[in-house]
Amino acid sequence: DAGVIQSPRHEVTEMGQEVTLRCKPISGHNSLFWYRQTMMRGLELLIYFNNNVPIDDSGMPEDRFSAKMPNASFSTLKIQPSEPRDSAVYFCASSLLVQENYGYTFGSGTRLTVV
Amino acid sequence: SQQGEEDPQALSIQEGENATMNCSYKTSINNLQWYRQNSGRGLVHLILIRSNEREKHSGRLRVTLDTSKKSSSLLITASRAADTASYFCATDAATGRRALTFGSGTRLQVQP
Repeated sequence: DAGVIQSPRHEVTEMGQEVTLRCKPISGHNSLFWYRQTMMRGLELLIYFNNNVPIDDSGMPEDRFSAKMPNASFSTLKIQPSEPRDSAVYFCASSLLVQENYGYTFGSGTRLTVV
Repeated sequence: SQQGEEDPQALSIQEGENATMNCSYKTSINNLQWYRQNSGRGLVHLILIRSNEREKHSGRLRVTLDTSKKSSSLLITASRAADTASYFCATDAATGRRALTFGSGTRLQVQP
């Protein structure tokens, strides 16, 4: 397995533009997580899906953020409109969640810069 | 504040020395996990210890868990320059949110 695949690796966009981040989880994993990492706030959970259903989106900053998982092999995180404070590294991770969380496999991240 | 808080925030040692990092958390857990992150990369899972376990080993890694004190430690023995990275603890809460909560991390620098 190639691991969790995220695209793009880097994204530079102007304030107000729409940004779409993509993730392909590991086959067989039933849970997918979107985290954001900044120096100030560390790793923050944005949203997670279990069996393609959003379970907890309480970490999504505001209505400008939305996430979808149309099938077991693909998820997107969209920011519209983007703002400079959204600049961060966005990670996607997948795992097998049964009665407890097992180890997560992280993607390499998307470094987003909003200017 | 975050569920897991690491201590120290940064650690610099010489190659061959042992490195110890600590993690404290607030709520009851199913398990606690340690991850490593090299600069510019994603996190890599190192080891998982369950709430009913007190100690676990994996190669040069030794993890302890004290649920009465809500704390864990990660020991890396005979460190190498390649161990230079940030290390994060993450907790799987027994109730509430069913996603891992990550601590703030310890930046480890191993001098060759």
